[in-house]
Formats: sequence, structure tokens, C-alpha cells
Amino acid sequence: AQSVTQPDIHITVSEGASLELRCNYSYGATPYLFWYVQSPGQGLQLLLKYFSGDTLVQGIKGFEAEFKRSQSSFNLRKPSVHWSDAAEYFCAVGASNYQLIWGAGTKLIIKP
Amino acid sequence: DARVTQTPRHKVTEMGQEVTMRCQPILGHNTVFWYRQTMMQGLELLAYFRNRAPLDDSGMPKDRFSAEMPDATLATLKIQPSEPRDSAVYFCASASSGGGGTQYFGPGTRLTVL
Repeated sequence: AQSVTQPDIHITVSEGASLELRCNYSYGATPYLFWYVQSPGQGLQLLLKYFSGDTLVQGIKGFEAEFKRSQSSFNLRKPSVHWSDAAEYFCAVGASNYQLIWGAGTKLIIKP
Repeated sequence: DARVTQTPRHKVTEMGQEVTMRCQPILGHNTVFWYRQTMMQGLELLAYFRNRAPLDDSGMPKDRFSAEMPDATLATLKIQPSEPRDSAVYFCASASSGGGGTQYFGPGTRLTVL
């Protein structure tokens, strides 16, 4: 069955520190992979996506993600977080019926 | 800057009342999704349409929820009668055929049923 796992419900990071949010997926074919961010009281905003080609994908707000087929992972990274990065982050995989299969989300807390 | 719009942004109503939420997808997008988000259940897909035809509404409580696309620029989600357990944020998202599944979300309608 298709699924997306974000193993960390919450992550706390100090401002200026590096960040890695984990995402693992289960999907039979070559996946289309997405990261979205949701700031408090807002809708979900696309951070980046992977369809094919270079496995390191650059997104908005200084984020990047790396697709590793052998590990079925698509982890999100940022070298130095800012207080404004505090939000919930969702990983998703594109399914064959136009839907996205969503992870449960990881809430990022920034320590001053 | 093309965006998905949703109205109203906030709605407070009493149990038993009818609630209608509206969504205007991005012009040219032919797939529209309705989601519900709560603290307990997270993000749930309620229904979605492609070229205005419903593809899947299995996530919706059929007895009280209905979703329609009267035309390509308007999607509606109706709850009748509303119940306190329907309190949530309802998101609309749209996607295009050539977008590889990329969905663009509206700002949501925060519904409170008293």
C-alpha cells in the first residue's frame, strides 16, 4: 500500500542551527515527491518537489531535499533555520489517481 | 500571482444550520480537492473533482456533506445539518493536468459549529 511516514511529530531546533526533517515513502513506481509547509493559520504552501533528474532538489526559503531511492527517503534540509521557519511540514507522494498521499506532518519549533 | 481563493475565511454557526463553503480554483486548473484538517485527525481528503466530475467522495460523510462544481471556476462544499464535530479548517486545493500532481492550496475556511 502507498504510504508516507514522517517519524518525528515535533522537532526543536535552535535558531541558526541546521535542520533535517525525515520522510519515508512506500510506493511501487517512481514517485513524485513533495514537501509543503503550513504556517499557523495558513494554508499549505509548496516548498519543493521531485519528479525526475537530479536527486537534490532546491526549493523556496532556502530549503532543499534529497531523493534516495535505495532508502525510500526524501528528507528536507536547511543549513540554518530562522525563527520564521517555525511551522508544520508535510511530505507527500503523488499517487496514480491524481491524489497526494500525505504524511502526518512534523511540527518545527525554533528555540531562540 | 494566481491563487486559490476560499470564502468565507471564518464561519461560526449553530448546530443544525446549513453551511456552504466556496472555492475558486486557479484559472486553468482542472482538478479540485476538498480537505478537512483537525488537530485529532490531521489532514483528510473529503472529495475531489476532475474536469468538474466527482472522482472520489469516499472521505465525506454522505448523509450531511455534499460537494459540487457548478462550473469550472467554482467548487462548493455544503454541510446540512451541521454538527459540532464538523468544526475544523476546510481547505480547497487545485491542480492542473500537467502539474505532476502538484496541488495549490487556498487559505482555508475555519468552521466553528456551536
